[in-house]
Amino acid sequence: KQEVTQIPAALSVPEGENLVLNCSFTDSAIYNLQWFRQDPGKGLTSLLLIQSSQREQTSGRLNASLDKSSGRSTLYIAASQPGDSATYLCAAQGGSEKLVFGKGTKLTVNP
Amino acid sequence: ETGVTQSPTHLIKTRGQQVTLRCSSQSGHNTVSWYQQALGQGPQFIFQYYREEENGRGNFPPRFSGLQFPNYSSELNVNALELDDSALYLCASSTRTGGLETQYFGPGTRLLVL
Repeated sequence: KQEVTQIPAALSVPEGENLVLNCSFTDSAIYNLQWFRQDPGKGLTSLLLIQSSQREQTSGRLNASLDKSSGRSTLYIAASQPGDSATYLCAAQGGSEKLVFGKGTKLTVNP
Repeated sequence: ETGVTQSPTHLIKTRGQQVTLRCSSQSGHNTVSWYQQALGQGPQFIFQYYREEENGRGNFPPRFSGLQFPNYSSELNVNALELDDSALYLCASSTRTGGLETQYFGPGTRLLVL
């Protein structure tokens, strides 16, 4: 059974800082790993999707890496801004095509 | 904007009642999944529908049921509501391409059971 863990549960940083969010998963037989953003009381916005054959994906100030052998993914946010404040969720997708989510990391970027 | 809409946005019910939540997927997306997100938790997979047939189910009892229609809309029905059913319910649509697709989530329906 796939289990996804995210560390830390919450993170508070000053504006402009670079930061890393961590995600680990127990079953390396995944099709892809996705990172989502969730604003309070809202749905999920897909940020990055890394296919199992890829090592990383980049979009603007965001960079996500995937190491299947160690069961880890990281989301790197460069030059953080107050608008980046949200909960970040990672999700592993296996053969059944369902997503298994972690509990998320709540990020606060202080002006 | 993902093109996925859900209704209603909020709902209050009492224990024992039944509820129907609705989702309208992106045009052309033949797969819809439903997730339950309790407060402070990650979303949990309820079930998935592919071309109007159930195609996978998570650890949820049979009182959670669904339908998918040819016009890309779908429903989640919950019977005999319990207090623990209070959560944000999310639907996600995608086009099945062997696990390489991005799932597009709707804004969710927040259900409160009293």
